Amino acid sequence: KQEVTQIPAALSVPEGENLVLNCSFTDSAIYNLQWFRQDPGKGLTSLLLIQSSQREQTSGRLNASLDKSSGRSTLYIAASQPGDSATYLCAVRPGGATNKLIFGTGTLLAVQP
Amino acid sequence: DAGVTQSPTHLIKTRGQQVTLRCSPKSGHDTVSWYQQALGQGPQFIFQYYEEEERQRGNFPDRFSGHQFPNYSSELNVNALLLGDSALYLCASSAQGAWEQYFGPGTRLTVT
Repeated sequence: KQEVTQIPAALSVPEGENLVLNCSFTDSAIYNLQWFRQDPGKGLTSLLLIQSSQREQTSGRLNASLDKSSGRSTLYIAASQPGDSATYLCAVRPGGATNKLIFGTGTLLAVQP
Repeated sequence: DAGVTQSPTHLIKTRGQQVTLRCSPKSGHDTVSWYQQALGQGPQFIFQYYEEEERQRGNFPDRFSGHQFPNYSSELNVNALLLGDSALYLCASSAQGAWEQYFGPGTRLTVT
């Protein structure tokens, strides 16, 4: 059974710091991995999607890497800003005939001005 | 493009009642998935609809049912509500065969 874990559960950093969020999954047979942002009480905004054949994806100050064999992904945020404060969720699409996503419990990020 | 829309935004129900939540997918999308997100947890997959049929189902009881209409919009129905059904219900849409799912803003259901 695929399980997704995110560490740390919460993180508080001063503005301007570079930071790394971690995601691990137990079954390496995945189609892709997606990072989402969720503001309090709101829906999910997709940040980056990495296919299983890719090693990383970049969008602006965000960079996500994927090491499928070790079951790990990291989300790197450069030069953090108070507007980056949110919960960050990673989700995997398992292999096989399924289109569902399996989510971690998220990392709550607070960037202090 | 309005993206994925959901209604209502918030809902308060009493234990034992029934509730219907609605979702309109992003333009061009034909597949709708529903997720339940309890407070402090990641979303959990409920089921997915494509071509007006339930295609996949997560580990949820039969009290949770759904429907997809010819225009691809979808409803989630929950019968005999329990306190534990209180959560944010998220709808996601995608095009069949495409990788990325787009999420709506969610419906916050409170069961008292």
